[in-house]
Amino acid sequence: QKEVEQDPGPLSVPEGAIVSLNCTYSNSAFQYFMWYRQYSRKGPELLMYTYSSGNKEDGRFTAQVDKSSKYISLFIRDSQPSDSATYLCAMKGDYKLSFGAGTTVTVRA
Amino acid sequence: ETGVTQSPTHLIKTRGQQVTLRCSSQSGHNTVSWYQQALGQGPQFIFQYYREEENGRGNFPPRFSGLQFPNYSSELNVNALELDDSALYLCASSRDMSSYNEQFFGPGTRLTVL
Repeated sequence: QKEVEQDPGPLSVPEGAIVSLNCTYSNSAFQYFMWYRQYSRKGPELLMYTYSSGNKEDGRFTAQVDKSSKYISLFIRDSQPSDSATYLCAMKGDYKLSFGAGTTVTVRA
Repeated sequence: ETGVTQSPTHLIKTRGQQVTLRCSSQSGHNTVSWYQQALGQGPQFIFQYYREEENGRGNFPPRFSGLQFPNYSSELNVNALELDDSALYLCASSRDMSSYNEQFFGPGTRLTVL
């Protein structure tokens, strides 16, 4: 079993829809939870960074962490074609990041 | 842009050759981590350097080695290249090795092994 599980999709939504992404994990030592966005042939770009359980909002993006269920989510409101990318969840307990496989999202104009 | 730069952008090598990839960390960052991202997969941790010392290592063989220099730039060396080494190699820098610090990624070096 992988340490971090993420549905690779692909996910296709119309412009303006809410995009819902999620990951599950098995390592209870993870304390920090991140979402990265990666455009084709580019490096990952940090979107959201949260510590422990709870919600965090930043503009159109909301990250949720439920440590009791070992489940994290990212919601993108009012999605735009420019949001089309691969979204990677990542988690950290000590020094290294453990990534999910990434979900490819396409927002149709 | 994160301020993390990598070179070269891409390169092609043949099986058995050796390769060196380079990374310059963001200003003020003294910790560099290297990751390997195969096509369609998430990045996999190779190792981390903090103040010129290896701080941790993932599940990669010894032919993957690294260095960090006094200016905190870093190199990843891979010997005896194999076809499966074809991937995007990413470096990420952070302010220090404390677990709460974010890691910021460079654009990556795409390595193709033929």
